[in-house]
Amino acid sequence: AQTVTQSQPEMSVQEAETVTLSCTYDTSESDYYLFWYKQPPSRQMILVIRQEAYKQQNATENRFSVNFQKAAKSFSLKISDSQLGDAAMYFCAWTYNFNKFYFGSGTKLNVKP
Amino acid sequence: GAVVSQHPSRVICKSGTSVKIECRSLDFQATTMFWYRQFPKQSLMLMATSNEGSKATYEQGVEKDKFLINHASLTLSTLTVTSAHPEDSSFYICSAQTGQGARETQYFGPGTRLLVL
Repeated sequence: AQTVTQSQPEMSVQEAETVTLSCTYDTSESDYYLFWYKQPPSRQMILVIRQEAYKQQNATENRFSVNFQKAAKSFSLKISDSQLGDAAMYFCAWTYNFNKFYFGSGTKLNVKP
Repeated sequence: GAVVSQHPSRVICKSGTSVKIECRSLDFQATTMFWYRQFPKQSLMLMATSNEGSKATYEQGVEKDKFLINHASLTLSTLTVTSAHPEDSSFYICSAQTGQGARETQYFGPGTRLLVL
């Protein structure tokens, strides 16, 4: 079964600190794409970062980076220098053909001032 | 960047009526549009996938006669909730996809909150 698991329903981080959100997935596909989406209180889903499975290099986008471990089917998101605006629900997702996306259950991130 | 709009953003209707939700890609043509449903504090549940000019592909358990999807053009898809009931109350999100192959990207609309009384 194609599943995405986010084992941390909620996490908290102090402003300016670093936090890592976990995500594991299950698939038999070899080529696929992984994503982290942010959903703030406005409910607008925003793409944070994406990773192609065929690339060994971990993707980075400014303060956001991933630790992609293909063999372990793990795709964690690291947020450095956390800001108050980072507070949101974060969803991990993947697809192999862009015809269907599989989403995790989400992690609520709280940022403490 | 690519923008996807949804209209209305919020709708309240009486039980038994039908509600139409529009999803538009404002500055790009979408090869595929997706419709999701999100319950409070839960993840997105894919309802259906639609391609312009063809019938939508519904996920298992989603009633196609109740949730009518029309993909009239490369920039517009509509979801009609027919004979809505209180259990249909939810947050509905559309997304539009563009690009090819590894460059395909999904852009989400702001969502529509439906409340059926």
